[in-house]
Amino acid sequence: EAGVVQSPRYKIIEKKQPVAFWCNPISGHNTLYWYRQNLGQGPELLIRYENEEAVDDSQLPKDRFSAERLKGVDSTLKIQPAELGDSAVYLCASRPGTGRDTQYFGPGTRLTVL
Amino acid sequence: GESVGLHLPTLSVQEGDNSIINCAYSNSASDYFIWYKQESGKGPQFIIDIRSNMDKRQGQRVTVLLNKTVKHLSLQIAATQPGDSAVYFCAENSGTGFQKLVFGTGTRLLVSP
Repeated sequence: EAGVVQSPRYKIIEKKQPVAFWCNPISGHNTLYWYRQNLGQGPELLIRYENEEAVDDSQLPKDRFSAERLKGVDSTLKIQPAELGDSAVYLCASRPGTGRDTQYFGPGTRLTVL
Repeated sequence: GESVGLHLPTLSVQEGDNSIINCAYSNSASDYFIWYKQESGKGPQFIIDIRSNMDKRQGQRVTVLLNKTVKHLSLQIAATQPGDSAVYFCAENSGTGFQKLVFGTGTRLLVSP
């Protein structure tokens, strides 16, 4: 079974430029998460989807960040415009649904903003 | 690959030793806890979990201990191997009726042959 797929794996942009990250969760997983991981820290939740609905986006900086999961499968996270402080690893995770089942993480996209 | 973190607490052990990684969590109402392993350039990988109604759970070579009185979690790895070298994170579930993980500060485990 394929794991969570993310692309690109690395992205280098200049500040004020837009950037987008793509995530394909494990087949059949209804819940999808986007996290940001700064160097030396644990992942921090940005947004959680249940199917196509964003049910928790309280930690998403909405002035510059947006996300979508139009058909309840793939998801895209966008930053526009990017700032120097956005440099981090952006992780996507998925899990089947409710209950105590674990989250499965993708490899992440490392973003460097110059 | 890139490093997950440059200034993490580090535990250095010899191959074959037992390792203990500790974690303090913040929310006394958290009901579910997970340990993740993160290797350089990869996403976190599930190791073991425990519910708040338990104080110990064992897996293959790993044991998680939960002390709710002092809000402390530990991960014990038996017969540590070089392949265990990674950053380890504990996470607590702060959600009610859904899963919302809050990750702690990681610990880097270095295993020498």
